[in-house]
Amino acid sequence: EVQLMESGGGLVQPGGSLRLSCAASGFAFSGYWMSWVRQAAGKGLEWVANINQDGSEKHYVDSVKGRFTISRDNAKNSLFLQVNSLRAEDTAVYYCARDAAGSGWFYWGQGTLVTVSS
Amino acid sequence: DVVMTQSPLSLPVTLGQPASISCRSSQSLVYSDGNTYLTWFQQRPGQSPRRLLYKVSNRDSGVPDRFSGSGSGTDFTLKISRVEAEDVGVYYCMQGTHWPHTFGQGTKLEIK
Repeated sequence: EVQLMESGGGLVQPGGSLRLSCAASGFAFSGYWMSWVRQAAGKGLEWVANINQDGSEKHYVDSVKGRFTISRDNAKNSLFLQVNSLRAEDTAVYYCARDAAGSGWFYWGQGTLVTVSS
Repeated sequence: DVVMTQSPLSLPVTLGQPASISCRSSQSLVYSDGNTYLTWFQQRPGQSPRRLLYKVSNRDSGVPDRFSGSGSGTDFTLKISRVEAEDVGVYYCMQGTHWPHTFGQGTKLEIK
């Protein structure tokens, strides 16, 4: 059974940093692109970043470029999102999801909440 | 960025009746490989999103056949033939043809 479990969210002040993690199991993690997708409370979905199988190719939505860094550790079946210089508008639930080559994501985690507030 | 526009944003439906959601994109979603990467998601209250349909009309495993997708180019539709109580939630279309991948605003389906 495919499982994705996020962790690392929390309350952080504006300008602060967090490292989000996603532990994957039940599939060959190193064989898939992976993504982070976020959702502000009561709002819609926003794709944030994705990374290819070996970590050599990464894409970001413009609003996080230069502040967020996606990475992975295939030996530990883990996906990461380093979020720096956080702003109030980054407050959201962050989901880890397994890419399906342009067809969105079939497998999603339960999400981890990041709250940016003073 | 490609703008995805859904309508309606709120959809009250009587149980057993059909429902239809429109999704329009600001650019054609036909990719160079000939595929159209238009995906529909359902998000029930308090849950993670669930993929329902991909490449316009391909139903995911476990998705009831009352859900169907159609359309081409820039104009797409999600149809539910007979709404059931478990269908309550927010429905999103998403394009995966152009970077960045973008979502529609969401359509909230509720039971009348």
